[in-house]
Amino acid sequence: SAVISQKPSRDICQRGTSLTIQCQVDSQVTMMFWYRQQPGQSLTLIATANQGSEATYESGFVIDKFPISRPNLTFSTLTVSNMSPEDSSIYLCSVDLGNTIYFGEGSWLTVV
Amino acid sequence: SQKIEQNSEALNIQEGKTATLTCNYTNYSPAYLQWYRQDPGRGPVFLLLIRENEKEKRKERLKVTFDTTLKQSLFHITASQPADSATYLCAETAGGSYIPTFGRGTSLIVHP
Repeated sequence: SAVISQKPSRDICQRGTSLTIQCQVDSQVTMMFWYRQQPGQSLTLIATANQGSEATYESGFVIDKFPISRPNLTFSTLTVSNMSPEDSSIYLCSVDLGNTIYFGEGSWLTVV
Repeated sequence: SQKIEQNSEALNIQEGKTATLTCNYTNYSPAYLQWYRQDPGRGPVFLLLIRENEKEKRKERLKVTFDTTLKQSLFHITASQPADSATYLCAETAGGSYIPTFGRGTSLIVHP
C-alpha cells in the first residue's frame, strides 16, 4: 500500500481565484492520478501525471483550467484555476500499485 | 463503453446481519474488479481486488464474488456493525489498462 498526504484537506474559495492542491506519496511512483468527485457523483479522472513529462488530460479537462506539476517521483500538485461554484468538489490524488488505486484523503473545495 | 452500475438506493440493514451489495458491468469482462469504502468527505479506501479468473475472495468479514456469466460482482459484509456504515464503490479495470472505471457507489446503513 501507499500513504498519500494531501493539502489542504478542506477550503472555502472565492469565485475567480485559484487554489493549488499538494500531494505527497511515501514511496516513489511512476504515475500519479488526479480525480474529481462532485457531490453525489462517481469519481472522474482529470489527468494522469508522469514525472518529467506533460500530464495527460481526460476528455473535458484542459491544462489551462487544471494545470498539474510533477517535479519528482513522490510529489504532484493540481491547481484549480479561475474557480466557479461548479468546481466545488472533492479532489483526490491517487497512485496505482499492483493494479490497485490508492487514494489520498481528498481536498474538499467549496467555491462561493 | 464500459459502465459500472451500482444500486443508487441506500441499503438499510440491522446490526449482525449480512449486507450484500451488487455491482454490474455492461460490456466486456474486466481483468480486475475492486471494491472501496468511502466515508463522507474522505478519499476511498481500498478493500478487496478480485481477478477475472477468481470466483471468490475473502478478507476477514468481507467476501467478494465475480460472476462473468451474470456480469456481476457481489460484495458481502458478514456480522455487520454500525461502523460498517459508509458508501461502497465498485471499480473495474480492463486488461491492458491501469485506469479503473468507478461506479457511483451504494450507501450502506447498519442500524444498531
